[in-house]
Order: sequence, then structure tokens, then C-alpha cells
Amino acid sequence: KAGVTQTPRYLIKTRGQQVTLSCSPISGHRSVSWYQQTPGQGLQFLFEYFSETQRNKGNFPGRFSGRQFSNSRSEMNVSTLELGDSALYLCASRGGGVETQYFGPGTRLLVL
Amino acid sequence: GENVEQHPSTLSVQEGDSAVIKCTYSDSASNYFPWYKQELGKRPQLIIDIRSNVGEKKDQRIAVTLNKTAKHFSLHITETQPEDSAVYFCAASMEYGQNFVFGPGTRLSVLP
Repeated sequence: KAGVTQTPRYLIKTRGQQVTLSCSPISGHRSVSWYQQTPGQGLQFLFEYFSETQRNKGNFPGRFSGRQFSNSRSEMNVSTLELGDSALYLCASRGGGVETQYFGPGTRLLVL
Repeated sequence: GENVEQHPSTLSVQEGDSAVIKCTYSDSASNYFPWYKQELGKRPQLIIDIRSNVGEKKDQRIAVTLNKTAKHFSLHITETQPEDSAVYFCAASMEYGQNFVFGPGTRLSVLP
């Protein structure tokens, strides 16, 4: 099976702009979680989607939002970008009744 | 909610020595405990996991032990090699991967 894919891999934006990141899970996986990772920091949980519904949400402002489509692909949107949003954004998929999460390669976002 | 602590935050060992990383969790309902390795610039990769009905699990040079009563679990790496240098994350989750929480990570350096 193909692994988790994320697009784009790299992105440069300026403050105030908005950005949309995409994640395609492993085929058959219905859960997609998003994480923010800043240099030297751990994995900060953003939200989890399962069957098109947000099932869990981390402690991030409302500028961060997401959605999931019927084919389980997920998008994450960040509006009114701030310098502090510069980070590696990782998505992870899970499925088949197994707890294990499999990560995508991430999207590296730089906000200038 | 679940809280996962991880120690130490950094660890340096000589090549060939053993390394031990410890994690504690707070929610007694958690029953799945994976460990991820993240090399520089790469995605986190699952290296080993353990479920609450097992006390220890081994895979070649790595092992994980779980003490459910004390709510802690540990990663053991024997005969460390330079390629073991990475950031290691522990995590805890409930059945079916709900409430998946990561520890803050441990940066392991294996010195030649």
C-alpha cells in the first residue's frame, strides 16, 4: 500500500495570508490527525478527523481549521498567518481497527 | 485528559552502550503505547509498540517494558549505533487509537 502523502512539501507565505495543506491517508484508513512541529518542539496535536467528522481538537486558535472528504483525504487551513505559524505540519493516518498512526512526510511552512 | 511525560529530554551515550528512555502517563484507560523515531528532516516512524496486556516486547536491539500499575513504560536500546541518533517520542492512547497523546521527545546522541 502507498504511504501517507502530503502536498505541498514546502511552502512560503507572508503574514496575513492563508494557506491550505493536503493529506492523503493510506488506502482504507478513515482517521487523519494533524500535528504542528516547531524546531526543538514535540508534536502538538491540532485535530483528528474520522469519517468526515472532527472527533478531537487540540488547543489551537480558531485560525486553524480542517476538513475531511468522503475519500478520507483531509485538508488543513490556516488563516491570517503569523510568523509563529512557521513549522512542519504532519498528518498521520490510522485505520483497520488498529491504533497505530502512520505519518506523512510533512509540509514545511515558512511565514515571512 | 491524558498527559504523557518523558525523560530525559536529551541523552548522550557511547557507541555500544545501552540507552533507556522513560515515559509516564496519567490516564489509566490508556492501553496502547507506541514509540516513534524521528531522524533529522524526516517523518516520525513507528519502531515498536506495546499493548496493556503485555509487560515486555522485544525486537532485535530494542525493547519496551510496561508497568500498568505505576503507569510508566520504557524504551531500551542495546548496543547503540550512530544511526540510532534521533529524537524518540513515546505516546499513549486508548482503544482504537482514541485520545492519542505524545510525550515531548528525547534527543538521543550516540557518540562514536
